[in-house]
Amino acid sequence: DAGVIQSPRHEVTEMGQEVTLRCKPISGHDYLFWYRQTMMRGLELLIYFNNNVPIDDSGMPEDRFSAKMPNASFSTLKIQPSEPRDSAVYFCASVGGLGTDTQYFGPGTRLTVL
Amino acid sequence: ILNVEQSPQSLHVQEGDSTNFTCSFPSSNFYALHWYRWETAKSPEALFVMTLNGDEKKKGRISATLNTKEGYSYLYIKGSQPEDSATYLCAFPIYNQGGKLIFGQGTELSVKP
Repeated sequence: DAGVIQSPRHEVTEMGQEVTLRCKPISGHDYLFWYRQTMMRGLELLIYFNNNVPIDDSGMPEDRFSAKMPNASFSTLKIQPSEPRDSAVYFCASVGGLGTDTQYFGPGTRLTVL
Repeated sequence: ILNVEQSPQSLHVQEGDSTNFTCSFPSSNFYALHWYRWETAKSPEALFVMTLNGDEKKKGRISATLNTKEGYSYLYIKGSQPEDSATYLCAFPIYNQGGKLIFGQGTELSVKP
């Protein structure tokens, strides 16, 4: 397996633009997580899905952020409109399901909003 | 609110030094503790998943111990090398919430040659 795949790896956009980040989890993993890494907060969980259903979105900063998982092999995180404070590295991770299973992270998308 | 705490926040050592740092977690409803290694500009990479009280895991020069009764785990690095420089994260899975992990803030290790 190629591991968790994220695209794009880098995104530079202007304030107010829509940004879509993409993730392909490891095949067979039931859980998918979106994280954001910032200097101030470290690694924070934004939202996670179980079998394509959003379970906990309490970490989503505000209504400008939305996430979908239309099928088991694809998820998107959308920011509309984007703001400079959204600049961060966004990670996607997937896991089989048990708390004893290793969570595998994608390479991340570095987002810069000018 | 579940809290996972790591100390120290950062550590600077010389090449060849041995070092260790701590992860504290809730001792109730325990069923696993994860350690990750996170190099700058890369993604977190799993080191260990520990489940049993008294467990000790080893990977090369890195080892970890677990005390579930008192709620702590130690990560040891023997003979630190510059390539060990990274942030070391511990994470605590929430019972009955699948793979959801509560991460500590990490210990940032810098090893000088």
